[in-house]
Amino acid sequence: SAVISQKPSRDICQRGTSLTIQCQVDSQVTMMFWYRQQPGQSLTLIATANQGSEATYESGFVIDKFPISRPNLTFSTLTVSNMSPEDSSIYLCSVGRQGRIDTGELFFGEGSRLTVL
Amino acid sequence: SQQGEEDPQALSIQEGENATMNCSYKTSINNLQWYRQNSGRGLVHLILIRSNEREKHSGRLRVTLDTSKKSSSLLITASRAADTASYFCATDAGGTSYGKLTFGQGTILTVHP
Repeated sequence: SAVISQKPSRDICQRGTSLTIQCQVDSQVTMMFWYRQQPGQSLTLIATANQGSEATYESGFVIDKFPISRPNLTFSTLTVSNMSPEDSSIYLCSVGRQGRIDTGELFFGEGSRLTVL
Repeated sequence: SQQGEEDPQALSIQEGENATMNCSYKTSINNLQWYRQNSGRGLVHLILIRSNEREKHSGRLRVTLDTSKKSSSLLITASRAADTASYFCATDAGGTSYGKLTFGQGTILTVHP
């Protein structure tokens, strides 16, 4: 299984500011996935981070609000821009088994819990 | 888009008892997966069942899948206090959607020692 490290693990942010979350994987992976989990809710896919191309965003999520970088095959960042209290969530990075997505299961980082005041 | 719905939303049992959680979904799938989440931390993959499978076992876990009813169940036998967590089902539509999971609302399981 992949080892995924996320930073920060948690943060308290002020309204209107932006925060960048980092995700580091211990092996090279083609695709990385960013999910959001709002308080007491399930997970929703924000976007797929592709190395060498722009991220692919799901319906309801836009690049201006959630810019993503993918500079290499082991690292990605997600920025939550111009935050509001509604952005308070756990943000999770995930990858497929051994970097493959066709086996189905995903491995998740521990998540970054953001609280926006 | 498909969404998994789970019931019950919360389940409280005694150690040693079995816990059963159910999941329903709306559209065709390539596979269905179950994950565990402890106290708002990262998710841990438990088991995956493919659309052409009806039942799968892994240790104390038993998963069933009924594609005609678009439903799945997760059974945890002989539960332990350490099983206390939130459990989510997730569907994978496959094809170009590989890696894009649709999660259910989750079941909060509490196992009392």
